[in-house]
Amino acid sequence: AQSVAQPEDQVNVAEGNPLTVKCTYSVSGNPYLFWYVQYPNRGLQFLLKYITGDNLVKGSYGFEAEFNKSQTSFHLKKPSALVSDSALYFCAVSPPTSGTYKYIFGTGTRLKVLA
Amino acid sequence: GAVVSQHPSRVICKSGTSVKIECRSLDFQATTMFWYRQFPKQSLMLMATSNEGSKATYEQGVEKDKFLINHASLTLSTLTVTSAHPEDSSFYICSARDLAEYEQYFGPGTRLTVT
Repeated sequence: AQSVAQPEDQVNVAEGNPLTVKCTYSVSGNPYLFWYVQYPNRGLQFLLKYITGDNLVKGSYGFEAEFNKSQTSFHLKKPSALVSDSALYFCAVSPPTSGTYKYIFGTGTRLKVLA
Repeated sequence: GAVVSQHPSRVICKSGTSVKIECRSLDFQATTMFWYRQFPKQSLMLMATSNEGSKATYEQGVEKDKFLINHASLTLSTLTVTSAHPEDSSFYICSARDLAEYEQYFGPGTRLTVT
């Protein structure tokens, strides 16, 4: 069965420090990869995507993500965390064979940035 | 960026009644729309995928007669929860995808409470 794992339910980081939110997947083929952020009682905001090309992709709000094909991972990173980055982060994977580009979501990681 | 709206943001209805939720893409044509359900502190569960002018494709375990989805135009999809029961209370989120893009853009969600 295809799946997406976000192994950490919560990540705590001090403001100004780098942050990493992990995502690994088990999907056949070369899937499309995405990161979203969700604030309380809100929908998801698109951060970035990997479709093909350079393994390091840059997105909104200073976030970037590194694709590693051999490890089937797509970790989200930011060089310097802000308190306002505190939110729920979801990794999503779209199998290329789905036809409709539907997503398989990870379970989400709550990021808490401490002042 | 692409904007997706949902209406209403909150709705309370009595058990046995039906409620309709609208999802609109405001600045792009959404060839595909998706409906999700999110339980507290959990990930998003895909309920169905709809393409404009076609019948929706429901995920396994989702009752299509209970959750009626209509995608009558390239900017509007509706989800009708029929004969609602308290267990249908949840946060419903729609998303939309432009034919030219890989990513989905999400609406702000609708909080449904069935009393």
